[in-house]
Amino acid sequence: SQELEQSPQSLIVQEGKNLTINCTSSKTLYGLYWYKQKYGEGLIFLMMLQKGGEEKSHEKITAKLDEKKQQSSLHITASQPSHAGIYLCGADTTSGTYKYIFGTGTRLKVLA
Amino acid sequence: EPEVTQTPSHQVTQMGQEVILRCVPISNHLYFYWYRQILGQKVEFLVSFYNNEISEKSEIFDDQFSVERPDGSNFTLKIRSTKLEDSAMYFCASSSGLAGDLPYEQYFGPGTRLTVT
Repeated sequence: SQELEQSPQSLIVQEGKNLTINCTSSKTLYGLYWYKQKYGEGLIFLMMLQKGGEEKSHEKITAKLDEKKQQSSLHITASQPSHAGIYLCGADTTSGTYKYIFGTGTRLKVLA
Repeated sequence: EPEVTQTPSHQVTQMGQEVILRCVPISNHLYFYWYRQILGQKVEFLVSFYNNEISEKSEIFDDQFSVERPDGSNFTLKIRSTKLEDSAMYFCASSSGLAGDLPYEQYFGPGTRLTVT
């Protein structure tokens, strides 16, 4: 079965620093989704990537999907305390079903 | 912007009781899903629903669980005889399935936190 691994599991950065979170799939991704979650709360959609080599940005967050469609990265530039939370990658499985699988999550803390 | 809504936001129930979690998907969406997240763990797929029947379910979704679309707007998850380990956040999601829309983009509700005591 397809698995998504995220790294690092947790990250503590000083405000203003850049950071990168990775999401690696055991199989080719059909669609890759990034979400942000406050601990114990709902999922906030950030970005969706579908094509190999695709890159999207929103404010200070940039997400990329590699050409082989097995790895995605989420990059935050000049981090702020408001970026703190848990970042999840989710993906369509390629088995012809519509269910999502999710990564283990990366807990980000930004120190002011 | 249309959104998926869920009620209640928090449900506390005693072990052995039945609970019904409610969701209102986006109105023209055709595919519906339930996921759960035990605190501190991964979001896990439970079930998908299309054309008034289950299209896929995970091994978690056993006879204790059932889903229903009782009318044109609601989508419910029933958990019978709740256990302590059912305590989790339950997320509902829907996706369009309409021609021209991204078929697999799922929109998630805010979740219902279920606490079984």
